[in-house]
Amino acid sequence: QLHLQESGPRLVKPSETLSLTCTVSGDSISSSTHYWAWIRQPPGKGLEWIGSFFYSGTTYYNPFLRSRVTISGDTSKNQFSLRLSSVTAADTAVYYCARWEGIADHYFDYWGQGTLVTVSS
Amino acid sequence: QSALTQPRSVSGSLGQSVTISCTGTTSDVGGYKYVSWYQQHPDKAPKLMIYDVSERPSGVPDRFSGSKSGNTASLTISGLQAEDEADYHCCSYAGRYTSVFGTGTKVTVL
Repeated sequence: QLHLQESGPRLVKPSETLSLTCTVSGDSISSSTHYWAWIRQPPGKGLEWIGSFFYSGTTYYNPFLRSRVTISGDTSKNQFSLRLSSVTAADTAVYYCARWEGIADHYFDYWGQGTLVTVSS
Repeated sequence: QSALTQPRSVSGSLGQSVTISCTGTTSDVGGYKYVSWYQQHPDKAPKLMIYDVSERPSGVPDRFSGSKSGNTASLTISGLQAEDEADYHCCSYAGRYTSVFGTGTKVTVL
């Protein structure tokens, strides 16, 4: 059974960099059959796609966040990570990692439980 | 890449049907067959309910159905059950390996 688990600091100061890691079990991020993604949800609001990562290193980002986002992978640990720089209170959200069926199709079929990250001094 | 538009809330009685709309543009919903829907209970992760506009993953009850016309996709829940009370989010492929989500709809079972 595929399982994804987010980890990282829950509190980040304004202007600093948010860093989260997603640990995957039950599948390999080196697989050529799926992409891996980050999605967030501000309190009381809808979901927002942040970006997606392919094992080859190819990445795709939300145009509104592209200048601040980096997604990368560590195949030796079967993890992929999110870095979001210059954060503000507007970046406070529950951050989810997910598997993206993006090769022959386009949907998110497995999700982590999510982790709330608060931006505050 | 603006969020897709969904009604803030819809409600229905037990056993009735409700339909949630998801309106985008020709650059997303109207341009591709890749619309998916996610159910989210409070403080839980989203769960895939519909993909490719109208396909159901294994294990999703057949009372959930999806359709699309032009730039608007729809999710219909027939025979509403108490456990269907949740938030529902649509998502569309928007080209160049990008995705866009809807604003989310709260379904209340009366």
